[in-house]
Amino acid sequence: AQKITQTQPGMFVQEKEAVTLDCTYDTSDPSYGLFWYKQPSSGEMIFLIYQGSYDQQNATEGRYSLNFQKARKSANLVISASQLGDSAMYFCAMREGREAGGTSYGKLTFGQGTILTVHP
Amino acid sequence: KAGVTQTPRYLIKTRGQQVTLSCSPISGHRSVSWYQQTPGQGLQFLFEYFSETQRNKGNFPGRFSGRQFSNSRSEMNVSTLELGDSALYLCASSRGQRNTGELFFGEGSRLTVL
Repeated sequence: AQKITQTQPGMFVQEKEAVTLDCTYDTSDPSYGLFWYKQPSSGEMIFLIYQGSYDQQNATEGRYSLNFQKARKSANLVISASQLGDSAMYFCAMREGREAGGTSYGKLTFGQGTILTVHP
Repeated sequence: KAGVTQTPRYLIKTRGQQVTLSCSPISGHRSVSWYQQTPGQGLQFLFEYFSETQRNKGNFPGRFSGRQFSNSRSEMNVSTLELGDSALYLCASSRGQRNTGELFFGEGSRLTVL
């Protein structure tokens, strides 16, 4: 089974509108972390936001917020007031706490990504 | 503060050759991880190093190897290159400690194997 599923291969949004990118995950580990990254055409992976499985509140970073629904195992990214520069590939990723006996923090499992296009 | 630096950014090799890629993590970060990104397989974890020790390894053949130096800089090596090794290789760094969420990536090294 896929550990990270992003069901939207591509999304379109009008500039200044909000958009939600979907992500569902699958793990039996009670301790995990969820990440969203942005990858422009240049290739660099830009960290956007992080949510820990024990965090009580949804994470927010500027225009980015993470809609964390633990029971549904979903971690959707919400981008408010979209800008032309937001056009890029977006990846959802998960770190499981039990990796390498709980000592490996550098291993993430990524989804296939969603290409976001912002129209003027 | 300087980000994660990867060199070289682009390189072209032929089948059978070997290649070494370098990664300098953010100052103070002791964990370096490597990923391979291809259109078909997406982003896949190669290995992670922490304090010069390999802490975790993905499902890649032994042709893929890495190491980390005392200053936390890391190198990865691919021997006997195959066409399928053409990919963007990304390096990521973090403090490598519990409760530290962020993992920062470099711009990648784009390898083309002819």
